Amino acid sequence: EDQVTQSPEALRLQEGESSSLNCSYTVSGLRGLFWYRQDPGKGPEFLFTLYSAGEEKEKERLKATLTKKESFLHITAPKPEDSATYLCAVSNWTGANNLFFGTGTRLTVIP
Amino acid sequence: GAVVSQHPSWVICKSGTSVKIECRSLDFQATTMFWYRQFPKQSLMLMATSNEGSKATYEQGVEKDKFLINHASLTLSTLTVTSAHPEDSSFYICSASDVYYEQYFGPGTRLTVT
Repeated sequence: EDQVTQSPEALRLQEGESSSLNCSYTVSGLRGLFWYRQDPGKGPEFLFTLYSAGEEKEKERLKATLTKKESFLHITAPKPEDSATYLCAVSNWTGANNLFFGTGTRLTVIP
Repeated sequence: GAVVSQHPSWVICKSGTSVKIECRSLDFQATTMFWYRQFPKQSLMLMATSNEGSKATYEQGVEKDKFLINHASLTLSTLTVTSAHPEDSSFYICSASDVYYEQYFGPGTRLTVT
């Protein structure tokens, strides 16, 4: 069964304090691993797609990496506006193109 | 690019009435659209998947007669909650998938049934 586990559940950082969020997954044939950001009361905002182990992608203060078992979302020198819930999801090679979501990491960046 | 809209953003209805939520992909053609619901502080739960012109595929435990999905075109899908009850109150989010299989989400619709 495809499964996604995110840790930690919640993370509080001081502004400028870099850290990483973890997404461990088991999937029957990885089509893609996705990172989203979700603000309260809003839909998820697409951040990255990673397709194969060793792949890395960056956007501003965020960098996503992928291995065969997990993905990390590194946040460098975070700012208060980076506070949000970060969701990880995987898609497999069945015809449905469904996403299997983790429960998210709620990040709070304190000024 | 890759913008998905939902309407309305919030709705309050009385128990027993029906509510329709629209989901549109504004700048791309969506091969597939998805409907999720999300309870407070929980992750997204997939309700159903739909392709244009086809019947929706519902996840286990989701009542297809209660949550009617119509995928009329490559840019529009609708979710109708029929005979709504207070337990249907939730945050409903749609997403649309392009040919690269990346899903882009709408801003969500907050449904409150009184």
